[in-house]
Amino acid sequence: LAKTTQPISMDSYEGQEVNITCSHNNIATNDYITWYQQFPSQGPRFIIQGYKTKVTNEVASLFIPADRKSSTLSLPRVSLSDTAVYYCLVGDKGSSYKLIFGSGTRLLVRP
Amino acid sequence: KAGVTQTPRYLIKTRGQQVTLSCSPISGHRSVSWYQQTPGQGLQFLFEYFSETQRNKGNFPGRFSGRQFSNSRSEMNVSTLELGDSALYLCASSEGGTGRDEQYFGPGTRLTVT
Repeated sequence: LAKTTQPISMDSYEGQEVNITCSHNNIATNDYITWYQQFPSQGPRFIIQGYKTKVTNEVASLFIPADRKSSTLSLPRVSLSDTAVYYCLVGDKGSSYKLIFGSGTRLLVRP
Repeated sequence: KAGVTQTPRYLIKTRGQQVTLSCSPISGHRSVSWYQQTPGQGLQFLFEYFSETQRNKGNFPGRFSGRQFSNSRSEMNVSTLELGDSALYLCASSEGGTGRDEQYFGPGTRLTVT
């Protein structure tokens, strides 16, 4: 079964860049790695997704090394509204339809 | 497009009872997945339905079951409720139903078992 590890929490200040890493093994070799954001009392919301190397969209970047044993979500210039829990999501190596969420990283952005 | 809707939003049940939760996916989405979220265990995958067929199942006991209708709406049932079933139950829909598809989550149903 795929296994993931994320830091429990991180603190940052407005305007800083934040990097959150998820370590994962036994993940599906032909599947994407996805990151979600969750605010209290809401369902998770898609942030970014990638297969390998680097992907960038309007809100974040995702770095995935060649061995795909980890992925790093990069949030440039965070604001107070980025305070949330961030989850990585991977497919299990045995079955990519079986999705495994990381334990989540609680990011607190201070003024 | 309307988002994923879940009903009811809150539910209180007693141990031993059963409960049915409902999820309406985004129009055109054929896959619906269910997750349980608790403070202790985090987000755990329950099962996924695609075109009315259960495509995969997480590691939950048989008391947890689900189904999907021809209009892609899905229901989840939990029988013989236990205190440990208290959780936020989230459903997510996607177009093609694989891990590579962006999933759109509903707001969840918060179930409390007393």
